[in-house]
Amino acid sequence: AQSVTQLDSQVPVFEEAPVELRCNYSSSVSVYLFWYVQYPNQGLQLLLKYLSGSTLVKGINGFEAEFNKSQTSFHLRKPSVHISDTAEYFCAVSALSGGSYIPTFGRGTSLIVHP
Amino acid sequence: ETGVTQSPTHLIKTRGQQVTLRCSSQSGHNTVSWYQQALGQGPQFIFQYYREEENGRGNFPPRFSGLQFPNYSSELNVNALELDDSALYLCASSLKGQAYGYTFGSGTRLTVV
Repeated sequence: AQSVTQLDSQVPVFEEAPVELRCNYSSSVSVYLFWYVQYPNQGLQLLLKYLSGSTLVKGINGFEAEFNKSQTSFHLRKPSVHISDTAEYFCAVSALSGGSYIPTFGRGTSLIVHP
Repeated sequence: ETGVTQSPTHLIKTRGQQVTLRCSSQSGHNTVSWYQQALGQGPQFIFQYYREEENGRGNFPPRFSGLQFPNYSSELNVNALELDDSALYLCASSLKGQAYGYTFGSGTRLTVV
């Protein structure tokens, strides 16, 4: 079984400042890692994914994440945030089980961007 | 390419009642997964359907059940509703065996009073 820990429930930041949202995972097998964003009253939208290859992954809206196998982390970063980035962010891990990949999500981090 | 659509968007039910939520998969996807997202929490996996059969289940009681139809659409049924069932229910479609490419719907907000 796998699990995900998002270390911060809420991250306040000023507009144009950099931000990092932290995610650690545990799994006994190789995993795939994802970050999703959820705007109010909406479903989940995929920001980026790590499947294999380069440990630095670039996603949509200027976000990027780095996979660190030794620290079992997959932190999300953006060099300069915008008001519109205010949303809930979920880290997820997925491993093969019974022929299917079923994502397990963290509890989420609320990113609040202040003007 | 159509996305995942869920209906209804909002629903209010009384404790003890039964509810059915519906989901239409994205075109080309053959697997449907259901998640429960309580307020302030991450989505919790309920179950997954592939070829009209349950293909995996999370830690939810049997009163949570589902169906998948030949056109890959799906229903989530919850019997004997409890107050703690109040949540956003998310449906996601995908291709079986693919590690990525989950497409989520906007969810159904269920309130049990």
